Amino acid sequence: EPEVTQTPSHQVTQMGQEVILRCVPISNHLYFYWYRQILGQKVEFLVSFYNNEISEKSEIFDDQFSVERPDGSNFTLKIRSTKLEDSAMYFCASRTGGLAGAGETQYFGPGTRLLVL
Amino acid sequence: AQKVTQAQTEISVVEKEDVTLDCVYETRDTTYYLFWYKQPPSGELVFLIRRNSFDEQNEISGRYSWNFQKSTSSFNFTITASQVVDSAVYFCALSEVNQFYFGTGTSLTVIP
Repeated sequence: EPEVTQTPSHQVTQMGQEVILRCVPISNHLYFYWYRQILGQKVEFLVSFYNNEISEKSEIFDDQFSVERPDGSNFTLKIRSTKLEDSAMYFCASRTGGLAGAGETQYFGPGTRLLVL
Repeated sequence: AQKVTQAQTEISVVEKEDVTLDCVYETRDTTYYLFWYKQPPSGELVFLIRRNSFDEQNEISGRYSWNFQKSTSSFNFTITASQVVDSAVYFCALSEVNQFYFGTGTSLTVIP
């Protein structure tokens, strides 16, 4: 069964460093998402991406963050200068498009646990 | 204001007991979708169910059942005859146009 994959599973970085989190969405999906879950808290929406551009973003998704689909398969989240509070689990998700729109189920990757020291 | 409220932060039950996880949502859209996801200790998010706002029929899948009531804006999840493997955090979520809103989750512990 197709699934969303994410790499790396864990990343430790120093404050101020740039990190790139990678995701490979399910191949026929058209909408892509990043979410964040700080330890013990709820999952928070960061950004959605469709047709090679951002379609929605939350207040959390400030200028430190960027997303890119550099090729036909990868979807990346870059944090330019990490802060301690960026430590969290980052989930990628994807869904198909079509008339069902927002109702299509989002399928989540296993997450990347980011620790900023 | 919270879009999705899961008032139960933590629940503990003894194995084989039934347990209901509550979810109350808030939306002005007439078309919306509701979801439940399971997050086991390993951390991944596992899709359990999706319902659209026009389908209030209750659903049963094995030991899992869902009760959707638009009149009370609730989408509750019941596990019958709970098992230790059901121990996880369960998230209710609401989908409006292009955004997902998760509740704060209910941590379920099933005690053997």
